[in-house]
Amino acid sequence: KQEVTQIPAALSVPEGENLVLNCSFTDSAIYNLQWFRQDPGKGLTSLLLIQSSQREQTSGRLNASLDKSSGRSTLYIAASQPGDSATYLCAVNSGGYQKVTFGTGTKLQVIP
Amino acid sequence: KAGVTQTPRYLIKTRGQQVTLSCSPISGHRSVSWYQQTPGQGLQFLFEYFSETQRNKGNFPGRFSGRQFSNSRSEMNVSTLELGDSALYLCASSLEGPSSTEAFFGQGTRLTVV
Repeated sequence: KQEVTQIPAALSVPEGENLVLNCSFTDSAIYNLQWFRQDPGKGLTSLLLIQSSQREQTSGRLNASLDKSSGRSTLYIAASQPGDSATYLCAVNSGGYQKVTFGTGTKLQVIP
Repeated sequence: KAGVTQTPRYLIKTRGQQVTLSCSPISGHRSVSWYQQTPGQGLQFLFEYFSETQRNKGNFPGRFSGRQFSNSRSEMNVSTLELGDSALYLCASSLEGPSSTEAFFGQGTRLTVV
């Protein structure tokens, strides 16, 4: 059974800092891994999708890496802004059909 | 291009009642999945539908059911509601199902059972 852990559970940083969010998973046989952000009471917004054959993906100030052998993914946020404040979730797809396991999330607060 | 639409956004129901939630996927997407999100359990997979067929099911009781129509719109039904069913219910659509494709989520339906 796939288990996904995100550390830290909460993070508070001053504006402008670069930061790293971590996601660990127990079963390395995955199809892909997706990072999302969730604002309070809202749905999930897709940030980056990394296929199992890829090592990293970049979008603007975001960079996500994947190391299947060690069961880890990191989300790097450069030059953080107050608008980045949200909960960040990683989701691991290791089943045949849309069977996705979510991490518990990292709640990020960027202080102006 | 319209995103994933979930209706209604908010619902209040009484214990023992039943409820139906609706999800309209992105045009062209054939896979729809449902998730339950609670503070204690986080996001948990309910089931996935593709071309009107349930392809996968999470570990939820039979009170939770769903279906998908020929236009890919999906409904989720919960019967005999319990207080513990109070949650944010999210649906996600993807092109084929997620071996390789990105999942897009709706804003969710907030269900409160009193």
